[in-house]
Amino acid sequence: GQQLNQSPQSMFIQEGEDVSMNCTSSSIFNTWLWYKQDPGEGPVLLIALYKAGELTSNGRLTAQFGITRKDSFLNISASIPSDVGIYFCAGQDSGGGADGLTFGKGTHLIIQP
Amino acid sequence: DAGITQSPRHKVTETGTPVTLRCHQTENHRYMYWYRQDPGHGLRLIHYSYGVKDTDKGEVSDGYSVSRSKTEDFLLTLESATSSQTSVYFCAITGTQGGEAFFGQGTRLTVV
Repeated sequence: GQQLNQSPQSMFIQEGEDVSMNCTSSSIFNTWLWYKQDPGEGPVLLIALYKAGELTSNGRLTAQFGITRKDSFLNISASIPSDVGIYFCAGQDSGGGADGLTFGKGTHLIIQP
Repeated sequence: DAGITQSPRHKVTETGTPVTLRCHQTENHRYMYWYRQDPGHGLRLIHYSYGVKDTDKGEVSDGYSVSRSKTEDFLLTLESATSSQTSVYFCAITGTQGGEAFFGQGTRLTVV
């Protein structure tokens, strides 16, 4: 099936720093979604992107749908302790299909005191 | 929060026993999915449903079966549980094909 390459795998940052992570695919995607997962919980949708070049913000989070439709970026500005968690990208490729989204393997965000 | 409830939230079972996990939604969404989440593998699709009694296999369907007799319920059955099926299982729903997926809180299954 489709694969998404998400990087970095983990990030160790200081509180207040900005964070960037990205996902790339080998094929064109029609949808890019970004999720956050806290320990013991299910993933929660942060941002949804539906158009190439689209830039969308949700508070301190900003995500972009790449022009080539094969990548997406998530930025977090001025990180705070509650940003700790696992961030997943997900997308629906242009082939469609009812089998839903393809997920990246996640970026573990760890904030050092 | 999307109305998705998974039950049970935690279960320990013995190898060889059948196990059924339940996903219940109150959103009347057409599409429902079962994923498993394991370290190093992320979320992997087990089975999905695109309507009542309409289901299909995902990436890791061996050893699992599903049923959907009502819009709101999607059941995942491990026919004969094995230790390799120890995992966290998530149900997800979407209202449109390829649209935003909303997840349940997960079921942590341990097979001993």
